[in-house]
Amino acid sequence: QSALTQPASVSGSPGQSITISCTGTSSDVGAYNYVSWYQQHPGKVPKLIIYDVGHRPSGVSYRFSGSKSGNTASLTISGLQAEDEAVYYCASYTSSRTYVVFGGGTILTVL
Amino acid sequence: QLQLQESGPGLVKPSETLSLICSVSGGSTSSSSYYWDWIRQPPGKGLEWIGTMYYSGSTYYNPSLKSRVSISVDTSRNQFSLSLTSVTAADTAVYYCARRITAASAYFDYWGQGTLVTVSS
Repeated sequence: QSALTQPASVSGSPGQSITISCTGTSSDVGAYNYVSWYQQHPGKVPKLIIYDVGHRPSGVSYRFSGSKSGNTASLTISGLQAEDEAVYYCASYTSSRTYVVFGGGTILTVL
Repeated sequence: QLQLQESGPGLVKPSETLSLICSVSGGSTSSSSYYWDWIRQPPGKGLEWIGTMYYSGSTYYNPSLKSRVSISVDTSRNQFSLSLTSVTAADTAVYYCARRITAASAYFDYWGQGTLVTVSS
């Protein structure tokens, strides 16, 4: 069982917006603004798309945005495109002994 | 452009030790700005953080692996390594090395390509 809880799957049609949640505790997501999101296409290396809750690295599309409320962080993808179909993982720094924890991953299907 | 490359045996026998090296180019493992981490992903499953190392030699490990894992750095060769003892089939995974920005973060900006390690007799 992963330390951070994500829905197993979400889906949306091209052009729509979707949101993926990432629920942790007061020791990780709720305690720090150190939540990151990674996109992983099949057989590929995870790619950083959001860091520190809502910051986008250079080169990442503006369609990706992040936010946090309490112990839950969220990734929103607007204007869905076929290329967005992938698995998305959240990760957080934690004050517990685990140091860094990942979510179990969410499969995004673009219908 | 920073690049990381994992290397090591792709097949390890049960109860033996898994040893991997991450070679870093385009950057320095002796930088005080970054941490160097190992992450793994069992086939068809999610990501699991293994541990981290700072250039000074400080290390932190996932408690679930702590008794079996060791990470070390060789700044002269610009490499860092992973050792996991007493492996079982459950340790079969793609192993990634990655750079993390600062101690208090989950911000992995550069990853290696990953190397599949299979534990089997």
